[in-house]
Amino acid sequence: GAGVSQTPSNKVTEKGKYVELRCDPISGHTALYWYRQSLGQGPEFLIYFQGTGAADDSGLPNDRFFAVRPEGSVSTLKIQRTERGDSAVYLCASSLSGLDLETQYFGPGTRLLVL
Amino acid sequence: AQSVTQLDSHVSVSEGTPVLLRCNYSSSYSPSLFWYVQHPNKGLQLLLKYTSAATLVKGINGFEAEFKKSETSFHLTKPSAHMSDAAEYFCVVSEKGGSYIPTFGRGTSLIVHP
Repeated sequence: GAGVSQTPSNKVTEKGKYVELRCDPISGHTALYWYRQSLGQGPEFLIYFQGTGAADDSGLPNDRFFAVRPEGSVSTLKIQRTERGDSAVYLCASSLSGLDLETQYFGPGTRLLVL
Repeated sequence: AQSVTQLDSHVSVSEGTPVLLRCNYSSSYSPSLFWYVQHPNKGLQLLLKYTSAATLVKGINGFEAEFKKSETSFHLTKPSAHMSDAAEYFCVVSEKGGSYIPTFGRGTSLIVHP
């Protein structure tokens, strides 16, 4: 079956611009996660959705970052006034219900470069 | 609070020799522990997870890990490396009982020489 997909695979933008990154989770998965992976680092948690609501957004670095999941499936990560430090790979993952020990399935990521 | 330390940024082995990737964790509660693998230009894939049912956990592709509470370790091993094992490996910890928000280590790059 289809896995987690993310679009675009690569995004180049200029400092100060607005970007949207999309995640399509596995069908039927209620839990969805966003991570950011900087070069040479492990993924860093940003936000976790349970259905349509953000259950935990403690990892968002500041108010320039925002994410939505209006219908409980596709999610969009939005970054306003991008900065060079936002350059990273943004990963999305989904799991069946978000319970402990449940396997998360990761997408291939969106590589964001802010010039 | 939880954290994870991967002790080696790079590990280099010859094909057919054993693999050891080291991971130490810190957790205020009973931890859940995972190993993920990331091949170039591919998504992270779960190798194995510790469920507390058994301290020795077997995963895919011949990998296994042993949970040692006294040493707060969860090292990943494989008896014989294949060229296809070359990838980035991440040790992950989360704390049971709350929402499943994992903390990833910085990763260990496994290099396999022919």
